Amino acid sequence: LAKTTQPISMDSYEGQEVNITCSHNNIATNDYITWYQQFPSQGPRFIIQGYKTKVTNEVASLFIPADRKSSTLSLPRVSLSDTAVYYCLVGERENSGYSTLTFGKGTMLLVSP
Amino acid sequence: NAGVTQTPKFQVLKTGQSMTLQCAQDMNHNSMYWYRQDPGMGLRLIYYSASEGTTDKGEVPNGYNVSRLNKREFSLRLESAAPSQTSVYFCASRGRLLAYEQYFGPGTRLTVT
Repeated sequence: LAKTTQPISMDSYEGQEVNITCSHNNIATNDYITWYQQFPSQGPRFIIQGYKTKVTNEVASLFIPADRKSSTLSLPRVSLSDTAVYYCLVGERENSGYSTLTFGKGTMLLVSP
Repeated sequence: NAGVTQTPKFQVLKTGQSMTLQCAQDMNHNSMYWYRQDPGMGLRLIYYSASEGTTDKGEVPNGYNVSRLNKREFSLRLESAAPSQTSVYFCASRGRLLAYEQYFGPGTRLTVT
């Protein structure tokens, strides 16, 4: 699994756009980039996955430059309920046998009024 | 469709006591996982089951045993609890493809005194 580096914490205010960048210099050709969100006292929740360029869903956007050595999770117009820990993971998208997730410490996003 | 359910939600044990954490999923997933999360840390894999009838050790298996009772259920047993096993325990399951899309239960908060 490629090692990832992301900020320990970030602060924002309601209504702002938040961008969390993850560095993954050793990403392999078959690796996808995946982000999870974890609210206090809950299990992590898959939010978005991408391989290159841009992916958008109802929750977030994921921007991946051409060299794929980093990625940016973008949360538009955050609210207090977006306060959570965000984890960046890198690895193969499909695995016929098994797969295990390795979570780092993630980025603690605190949204204030 | 409840997803992944875990029981109990909270438990306090004395050192040396035993207990079993229960996990069930109703998504017909093949793979199931047990993780622990210590304060301020990411998740660490204890055991996983790639399919019914198989189990394998993860990163931190010592002090735990697991049983894949059937396709739906995957239990985690602490034979002789120790204070170092105080943690939040998450069960997860994964579908047939997307290796990095796992569905997590709400967690069991265990305190060993």
